[in-house]
Amino acid sequence: EDQVTQSPEALRLQEGESSSLNCSYTVSGLRGLFWYRQDPGKGPEFLFTLYSAGEEKEKERLKATLTKKESFLHITAPKPEDSATYLCAVFTGGGNKLTFGTGTQLKVEL
Amino acid sequence: DADVTQTPRNRITKTGKRIMLECSQTKGHDRMYWYRQDPGLGLRLIYYSFDVKDINKGEISDGYSVSRQAQAKFSLSLESAIPNQTALYFCATRDRALGTEAFFGQGTRLTVV
Repeated sequence: EDQVTQSPEALRLQEGESSSLNCSYTVSGLRGLFWYRQDPGKGPEFLFTLYSAGEEKEKERLKATLTKKESFLHITAPKPEDSATYLCAVFTGGGNKLTFGTGTQLKVEL
Repeated sequence: DADVTQTPRNRITKTGKRIMLECSQTKGHDRMYWYRQDPGLGLRLIYYSFDVKDINKGEISDGYSVSRQAQAKFSLSLESAIPNQTALYFCATRDRALGTEAFFGQGTRLTVV
């Protein structure tokens, strides 16, 4: 059965304190791994797509990496505005459905 | 204007009532999805549609039905609402090209009392 697991469930960082979020997956034939950011009461906002092991994508303070079993979202020198829930998702069902992890709730404090 | 628009944004309804949530998109995508989000459970797929004539059940379709009125419109109905359907509901769209990302609406917060 296809599964997506994110850890930790919640993470509290001080401003400038770098860290990583983890997304481990078990799917038959990865067709894409996605990272989204979600602010409270709003819809998920697309960040990155990764397709194959070894691939990396960067955007401002965020960097996403992919291996054959997991993906990491690295946050370098975070700011309070990076506080949000970060969601990981993979294509399942032959590429027809997106299956999400339960997310990591990140809070960055001054 | 948002590319994916959901109406209403908030709704309180009584147990047993029928309610419809609507989604429209201007992205020209043929794939549309309905998800519900609950604390600790993440986003779970209710129904998805590849075009007007192709509708499929997701992992939690019981108690829900959908209608794809046009390529740009996808509605979710709760025939007889119950309290455990209280959740945040999201519509999403995606291009048919394999591996492309999904775009989400702003969500509908539904409370069943």
